[in-house]
Amino acid sequence: DTAVSQTPKYLVTQMGNDKSIKCEQNLGHDTMYWYKQDSKKFLKIMFSYNNKELIINETVPNRFSPKSPDKAHLNLHINSLELGDSAVYFCASSQSGHAFFGQGTRLTVV
Amino acid sequence: SQQGEEDPQALSIQEGENATMNCSYKTSINNLQWYRQNSGRGLVHLILIRSNEREKHSGRLRVTLDTSKKSSSLLITASRAADTASYFCATDARGGYQKVTFGIGTKLQVIP
Repeated sequence: DTAVSQTPKYLVTQMGNDKSIKCEQNLGHDTMYWYKQDSKKFLKIMFSYNNKELIINETVPNRFSPKSPDKAHLNLHINSLELGDSAVYFCASSQSGHAFFGQGTRLTVV
Repeated sequence: SQQGEEDPQALSIQEGENATMNCSYKTSINNLQWYRQNSGRGLVHLILIRSNEREKHSGRLRVTLDTSKKSSSLLITASRAADTASYFCATDARGGYQKVTFGIGTKLQVIP
């Protein structure tokens, strides 16, 4: 069974659209994250949730809105997509600092 | 500025040689981890070393941690072509809630 799964794997959309990426973990972890990896492969933390509560918001534009309906899910909704949002988005969960990652969602905004 | 900074940013070696990557960080940590990312794939956890440990081994991997210098190194011995990937260090900062922060990575190429 996949520990951290995110969907979709690929997402191509036009500027101005609204899209969502879903993430689920079956590890029973309390903490979940969203990371953005840009074209230079730099991994930047966007959000961290602990037990459904937002803990970290790393100066991400408010067009990005995470939603955690329960401890096992952390979805990412993006409004009014811009070209600069094109990147690979990774969901992760962790316990005791050891993070497990999903396979990533490659978002391309055209 | 980044919590973890790896060097070198790129490394090219022959198969069979050892590869050493370094990571420096800025704040006090609970632990430090190394991850591997193959091209176009997600990150795979390799090894975690706690702040009270100085060295850890896992197969061909050897990780050291020097908290006084706020640095860590990852040594891959007897490298293989399949080790070609990007390697990231990540720190779990002490205090507050968990925040796993990544460096910019070292791109390793092992030439067969």
